[in-house]
Amino acid sequence: EVQLVESGGGLVQPGGSLRLSCAASGFTFSSYEMNWVRQAPGKGLEWVSYISSSGSTIYYADSVKGRFTISRDNAKNSLYLQMNSLRAEDTAVYYCATDYYGSGYMDVWGKGTTVTVSS
Amino acid sequence: SSELTQDPAVSVALGQTVRITCQGDSLRSYYASWYQQKPGQAPVLVIYGKNNRPSGIPDRFSGSSSGNTASLTITGAQAEDEADYYCNSRDSSGNHPLFGGGTKLTVL
Repeated sequence: EVQLVESGGGLVQPGGSLRLSCAASGFTFSSYEMNWVRQAPGKGLEWVSYISSSGSTIYYADSVKGRFTISRDNAKNSLYLQMNSLRAEDTAVYYCATDYYGSGYMDVWGKGTTVTVSS
Repeated sequence: SSELTQDPAVSVALGQTVRITCQGDSLRSYYASWYQQKPGQAPVLVIYGKNNRPSGIPDRFSGSSSGNTASLTITGAQAEDEADYYCNSRDSSGNHPLFGGGTKLTVL
């Protein structure tokens, strides 16, 4: 079964850091592009970051550029999001997602991990 | 900057047809996809490309596009279709996915 499981969320103070992980199983992780998407409480979906299958191409939303770093370890079937200089507006559920079925869109999503930035 | 605009809320009577729309300049260049999200759950892709449904998505869901507007149509809406629906496309660079603000569908 194709599965993505996020972890690493929690409560952090403004200005703090957190590292999210996304564990992939049931497919050849190293062959697939990956994304992070977030959703603030009661709000819509916001794409955060993209990484190519090899890790050579990376994109960020303007809202997180310079503060967040996406990476992957294909040997460990894992995706990461290092989040620094966190702000209250970064409070959200963070999902990892991939285009597994070749739709050209994010067609497999994890259940998400919650990040709360508050003092 | 690129934007995708959706009506915040739409309602439909049980068994009737409803159309949810998404407007944005990028839709002139890129197809939209549509996601269904129920409370406390991750989004689920229901339509992608010109009008394609992933495996397991009922055929009452269909998509269309004209100019800068993409539409998701549910023909014969069911109670279980009550959810938030998000359109998704690309920004003008083509590198960044873009989501609409979402439409809350109520099935009466």
